[in-house]
Amino acid sequence: GAGVSQSPRYKVAKRGQDVALRCDPISGHVSLFWYQQALGQGPEFLTYFQNEAQLDKSGLPSDRFFAERPEGSVSTLKIQRTQQEDSAVYLCASSLISRALDGELFFGEGSRLTVL
Amino acid sequence: AQSVSQHNHHVILSEAASLELGCNYSYGGTVNLFWYVQYPGQHLQLLLKYFSGDPLVKGIKGFEAEFIKSKFSFNLRKPSVQWSDTAEYFCAVNANNAGNMLTFGGGTRLMVKP
Repeated sequence: GAGVSQSPRYKVAKRGQDVALRCDPISGHVSLFWYQQALGQGPEFLTYFQNEAQLDKSGLPSDRFFAERPEGSVSTLKIQRTQQEDSAVYLCASSLISRALDGELFFGEGSRLTVL
Repeated sequence: AQSVSQHNHHVILSEAASLELGCNYSYGGTVNLFWYVQYPGQHLQLLLKYFSGDPLVKGIKGFEAEFIKSKFSFNLRKPSVQWSDTAEYFCAVNANNAGNMLTFGGGTRLMVKP
């Protein structure tokens, strides 16, 4: 497809399980972002990649959260030992250029994580 | 740290009514400003953005926003809404010292009655 693709769209995990969320950005897009959107709130920044380099991970809430983009295209957000407060929609966005905010961010539909 | 406030959480309007959604941010330096829209069941899409120049910015679908620096505001407007404008609207700010990080407001859910 032409847009940003995220999988799974829905994930239910038991507390303590590890989860992995995948993002396929638009082909050729240099910049990739992960955001967390809790119910009734706006998206909150988690981390930013330029190609394979993770340039900003200041938004990751704990060391249980880890993101990678090893070949500069697909990215995976991994959450270890999930907690109930991790329940949220995880959004991925990509942009064609390296100064991402000079261009348009294209968002995926998100992965909704529910931790029981 | 920068923050964004959207004071109206829910707005209900009838078709053809005028719309103004408030957005205020807290950061004293240079900012880039954005409005995103999320239609039901769809992904976030950019409505418009302001980087510099004319503080009145025109976006898609007849939306516009005005940057008022003295008020730290970037309110979204549309003269006449349509049922198809029913969506959630998010204001977002990037401060020039924040790299590529966008800070979003909490969103305003707009319902337009036909």
